[in-house]
Amino acid sequence: DIQMTQSPSSLSASVGDGVTITCRASQGIGNYLAWFQQKPGKAPRSLIYAASSLQSGVPSKFSGSGSGTDFTLTISNLQSEDCATYYCQQYKSHPLTFGGGTKVEIK
Amino acid sequence: EVQLVESGGDLVQPGGSLRLSCAASGFTFSSYWMNWVRQAPGKGLEWVASIKYDGSDKYYVESVKGRFTISRDNAKNSLYLQMNSLRAEDTAVYYCTYRNSLDTWGQGTMVTVSS
Repeated sequence: DIQMTQSPSSLSASVGDGVTITCRASQGIGNYLAWFQQKPGKAPRSLIYAASSLQSGVPSKFSGSGSGTDFTLTISNLQSEDCATYYCQQYKSHPLTFGGGTKVEIK
Repeated sequence: EVQLVESGGDLVQPGGSLRLSCAASGFTFSSYWMNWVRQAPGKGLEWVASIKYDGSDKYYVESVKGRFTISRDNAKNSLYLQMNSLRAEDTAVYYCTYRNSLDTWGQGTMVTVSS
């Protein structure tokens, strides 16, 4: 099974800051990597697929990069509505696996 | 617009059974892999099962193998999860998701396993 390790598990930043979340796969997954945003009590929302492709309707403040084993999600100009938990997920092979999540808060 | 609507969640006793359904619309259902993903209270996301577009291939997380069965009816644009021998640790919100990149999610249905 491919293990996904996300860091940090939580972060606090100021409004207007840029933040970066990293995700590491235990083996190479090419670009079969997705990122999700989940707000409390809500279903997850897909932000990025294929490591760097933005889902339709997702603002360009979200960007993804990486390939192989190391990936990043960057959120620019952090706003209160970006407070959420973010997850990465690999879909290179079954079982599909998720990172542990990163909780983003406003300082 | 892709829409996924889950139903069937309930309170069930340990050892009991439940069948979840997911009604899909807004895309060619018969052309895509479909998945179930769950989230226990206060925990992260866990993939549960996947089914190929024609139903010919299925995958399960180890903890549900032999107890859960994923199926689909392409004529009805519907996905199902038959859950047997339920355990307390199966308590979670269950989400129906579209494609292995999990592009779209339903609102979820709550399954509580408790005596």
